[in-house]
Amino acid sequence: AQSVAQPEDQVNVAEGNPLTVKCTYSVSGNPYLFWYVQYPNRGLQFLLKYITGDNLVKGSYGFEAEFNKSQTSFHLKKPSALVSDSALYFCAVRDHYNFNKFYFGSGTKLNVKP
Amino acid sequence: DAGITQSPRHKVTETGTPVTLRCHQTENHRYMYWYRQDPGHGLRLIHYSYGVKDTDKGEVSDGYSVSRSKTEDFLLTLESATSSQTSVYFCAISESAGGKYGYTFGSGTRLTVV
Repeated sequence: AQSVAQPEDQVNVAEGNPLTVKCTYSVSGNPYLFWYVQYPNRGLQFLLKYITGDNLVKGSYGFEAEFNKSQTSFHLKKPSALVSDSALYFCAVRDHYNFNKFYFGSGTKLNVKP
Repeated sequence: DAGITQSPRHKVTETGTPVTLRCHQTENHRYMYWYRQDPGHGLRLIHYSYGVKDTDKGEVSDGYSVSRSKTEDFLLTLESATSSQTSVYFCAISESAGGKYGYTFGSGTRLTVV
């Protein structure tokens, strides 16, 4: 079965500092991984995805994610956090057998303080 | 969110009543999805559609039905609402199976069953 885990309910970081939001995955076959962001009272917005290729994936708003096969992780990173990055972040993995099925993590709330 | 509209945005209904949520898109995307979002669970797939009149179940489909008579509309019906169906419901669209370019999500419908 496919699944992702986000071990931290909340991450606090000061503005200007680097941030990391963690995600680990469990999949059959090669993983197809996503990160989404959700601002209050809004739907999720696509940030980036990993299919194959470079382990460092660059996405929207200066975010990037590092794929690590040996650690089965796909952590979201940003070199310098902004207060406006404060939001709920979701990691997701696509089902290996049915491309229409995605499994989302429980979400991590990122708080960036001025 | 551009190109996808959910209605209503908020609804309170009584236990045992049927409820229909509507998702309308102007992007002409083939794939449409209904998710529910609950604290601690992230997003879970209810049903999805891969074309007009073509639908399939997700991981939490019990108590829900869907219909898609036109490309632009995807309806989610709670046949007899229960308190466990109190949730925020999101519709998503995709131009390809597997969300190759990421999903586009609507702004959600907050449903309360009393």
